[in-house]
Amino acid sequence: AQSVTQLDSQVPVFEEAPVELRCNYSSSVSVYLFWHVQYPNQGLQLLLKYLSGSTLVKGINGFEAEFNKSQTSFHLRKPSVHISDTAEYFCAVSFLSQGAQKLVFGQGTRLTINP
Amino acid sequence: GAGVSQSPSNKVTEKGKDVELRCDPISGHTALYWYRQSLGQGLEFLIYFQGNSAPDKSGLPSDRFSAERTGGSVSTLTIQRTQQEDSAVYLCASSFGLARGNEQFFGPGTRLTVL
Repeated sequence: AQSVTQLDSQVPVFEEAPVELRCNYSSSVSVYLFWHVQYPNQGLQLLLKYLSGSTLVKGINGFEAEFNKSQTSFHLRKPSVHISDTAEYFCAVSFLSQGAQKLVFGQGTRLTINP
Repeated sequence: GAGVSQSPSNKVTEKGKDVELRCDPISGHTALYWYRQSLGQGLEFLIYFQGNSAPDKSGLPSDRFSAERTGGSVSTLTIQRTQQEDSAVYLCASSFGLARGNEQFFGPGTRLTVL
């Protein structure tokens, strides 16, 4: 079965510091990978996605993620965070199972930016 | 409308009552998903519709939950005899399916409170 593990439930970071949010997945089939962001009291927005091609994917707001197939990871990074990056971040994998298109989410990582 | 819309945005109901939550997906999207997000939790998959195929109901937590999608567009999630543990944010998402990597677009959610 496919699963997603976000290793950190909460990550506090000072403003302008770099950040990495970790995501590991388990799958016996090919997957697509996503990071979504949920700002306080808002819905989910797509941050970036990996479908194929270059393993380094750039998204909105200066975020990027690297797909590492051998380590089954898709960690999210930003070199310098801003107060406005405070949000919940969800890693997700999409795959085909028995004709159905599934999307499995991790438990989320709450990123808090301190001044 | 350009995005996924959901109504109502907030719903407060008494234990034992039935509720209906509505989702209007992006026009042309063939796949529609319902998720539940409880306080401090990740996203829990509930049900998935793809075109005219039979829905994948594997995530519905009990037989009090049901959903339908009329005309391949609007979807209604119904919860009968609501319980306090049903309190959560219910999110709807739609996509073009795996043809475009199953990138899902989320609505703003309906916050359900069962008293």
